[in-house]
Amino acid sequence: SQQGEEDPQALSIQEGENATMNCSYKTSINNLQWYRQNSGRGLVHLILIRSNEREKHSGRLRVTLDTSKKSSSLLITASRAADTASYFCATDFQGAQKLVFGQGTRLTINP
Amino acid sequence: NAGVMQNPRHLVRRRGQEARLRCSPMKGHSHVYWYRQLPEEGLKFMVYLQKENIIDESGMPKERFSAEFPKEGPSILRIQQVVRGDSAAYFCASSLSGLMMNTEAFFGQGTRLTVV
Repeated sequence: SQQGEEDPQALSIQEGENATMNCSYKTSINNLQWYRQNSGRGLVHLILIRSNEREKHSGRLRVTLDTSKKSSSLLITASRAADTASYFCATDFQGAQKLVFGQGTRLTINP
Repeated sequence: NAGVMQNPRHLVRRRGQEARLRCSPMKGHSHVYWYRQLPEEGLKFMVYLQKENIIDESGMPKERFSAEFPKEGPSILRIQQVVRGDSAAYFCASSLSGLMMNTEAFFGQGTRLTVV
């Protein structure tokens, strides 16, 4: 079964609006990582948040982690057309040395 | 500092042929991970290797698939006697240390395998 599950599966918003994507997972983790994937391309690492951290920022990105609810969110503020991509969360699975990915959220930014 | 390099970017094989996918990790990285991605899906873990050692191959199909990460040279994912169902994008990632050390994993651009 999936360790990480993103919600929603697809999100379409207007340029300039904020986009929020959520990720839930099942087991204890050491860290959670968010990635972006443009269509037909590789994955770009966005942010790593450790299990003892609650919030992290990088430019227009804000990631939160709630270990009590086993969930994380990725907020993209002031969205741009170039933010159109699929976004994945990945967690280390029960402390195993591998990242387990969810199905991703397909984000579309409309000009 | 070059990122994770994968080659070839695109590979076409006929059914029954062998496919060899190469991955050169980022400089200084000794941990390599292989993933497979089908269209419109997430990435599925295949195998985790350190230099000369397979650490976790729990995601590898039992037959036809093998992986290595020799002391010198790139990591190789080898698929023997390919079938149409092997068509997918194969991604390699590398990290400086193990993921339990809270280290980022960086991905290559992938190899898109098409079996005809």
